[in-house]
Amino acid sequence: QKEVEQDPGPLSVPEGAIVSLNCTYSNSAFQYFMWYRQYSRKGPELLMYTYSSGNKEDGRFTAQVDKSSKYISLFIRDSQPSDSATYLCAMTTKTSYDKVIFGPGTSLSVIP
Amino acid sequence: DTGVSQNPRHKITKRGQNVTFRCDPISEHNRLYWYRQTLGQGPEFLTYFQNEAQLEKSRLLSDRFSAERPKGSFSTLEIQRTEQGDSAMYLCASSLVPSGANVLTFGAGSRLTVL
Repeated sequence: QKEVEQDPGPLSVPEGAIVSLNCTYSNSAFQYFMWYRQYSRKGPELLMYTYSSGNKEDGRFTAQVDKSSKYISLFIRDSQPSDSATYLCAMTTKTSYDKVIFGPGTSLSVIP
Repeated sequence: DTGVSQNPRHKITKRGQNVTFRCDPISEHNRLYWYRQTLGQGPEFLTYFQNEAQLEKSRLLSDRFSAERPKGSFSTLEIQRTEQGDSAMYLCASSLVPSGANVLTFGAGSRLTVL
C-alpha cells in the first residue's frame, strides 16, 4: 500500500461545476498537507497548504483535512477551463520535514 | 528572481550513455531537492541538499546516480550508464526552511528519454 493514494481520474466536469478532489493516507504522523497543481509538461506549483486538521479557503479553493479519517480534500468552486490540470496532494511529518511525499495525482478537465 | 531553472529541458540518449542535468534554485532558498516523476505518478523524492551538504538520499538513487551542489549554489544530477527504466521527468525544487510548511518551488523539469 502506498503512503498516499488518490483517484487518478480522469475527472471531467462542465465549466462552473464544483470539483472535489481527495486523498487518503496511511501515516498518522503527517502534519503538513499541501495541494499542488501541475499543467502538462510543467513542474508542480503550490496551490495551498494546511497544518493539522481543519479548513482553509483561498479564493475559489478550499482545503479540508480530517486527520481522524486520514483524508484530505480540495474543493474548487466555479471551475474554469484554466483549472484543467493534474492535482497532486502532498504531505510531510514534523520530524521528516524535508521529505515531501506526493500522491499520484488526479487529472481534471473542465469543459467549456 | 526567475524561479527555479533546469537544463536541459529534454535529453534523448542511448542506453549506456551518461547524462547530466543542472538546476539553478531560487537564490534565497537554503534547500534544494531532486525528484523523479514518471507518467501518471506523482514526484518521488530522490535527494536533497542544505547548502552544499547532501543530507538524505532515497533508496531509489542507485549507485549510477550522483548529485552534487558545489558551493551551495546550482546542483547537478548525473546518471551513469543510463537504462531505459531511467526515462522520466527529473524535477528540481528549492525551499526556504523554516517557513511553516516545506513549500517547494519546482522548476519545469528535465525530461530524459533513454532509447
